[in-house]
Amino acid sequence: AQSVSQHNHHVILSEAASLELGCNYSYGGTVNLFWYVQYPGQHLQLLLKYFSGDPLVKGIKGFEAEFIKSKFSFNLRKPSVQWSDTAEYFCAVTGNTGGFKTIFGAGTRLFVKA
Amino acid sequence: GAGVSQSPSNKVTEKGKDVELRCDPISGHTALYWYRQSLGQGLEFLIYFQGNSAPDKSGLPSDRFSAERTGGSVSTLTIQRTQQEDSAVYLCASSYSFDRAEAFFGQGTRLTVV
Repeated sequence: AQSVSQHNHHVILSEAASLELGCNYSYGGTVNLFWYVQYPGQHLQLLLKYFSGDPLVKGIKGFEAEFIKSKFSFNLRKPSVQWSDTAEYFCAVTGNTGGFKTIFGAGTRLFVKA
Repeated sequence: GAGVSQSPSNKVTEKGKDVELRCDPISGHTALYWYRQSLGQGLEFLIYFQGNSAPDKSGLPSDRFSAERTGGSVSTLTIQRTQQEDSAVYLCASSYSFDRAEAFFGQGTRLTVV
């Protein structure tokens, strides 16, 4: 069955610290990978996505993620977080073997101390 | 409309009553999803509509849950004989096509069963 695992449920960082949020997936066939973010009181919105090509993808607000096919991973990174990055982050996957059904991880709540 | 619209925003219902939640997707989007977001549970997939294909109902937690999508547009999620454990935020999302497309989310319906 398709699944997405996010390793950290809660992360607390100080401003300017580096961030890495882990994501592993189980989804056969060709996959498309996403990170979504939900800021307090706002809708879920796309942060970045990977379909093909360069496995290092860059998204909005200085975020990037690396697809490592051999590890079934798509970790999210940011070199220096800001207080405004406080939000919940969700990894998601879709692919041809699942009828392109999008499956989400449990989410990681990030709190950045000013 | 400009975005995915869900109604009502909040719903409080008594245990045992039936509820209907509505989703208006973005015009032209062929894929529509329902997810449930509970504290600490992330985004739980419920059901997925793609064009005229039979919906993927594999995430519906019990036969008390059902959903339909009329005319390839508006969708209604119905929960019969509500239970307290049904309390959650129910999110609807739509996407332009089933392949390589990001999902656009509504603001959700917060359901509270008392």
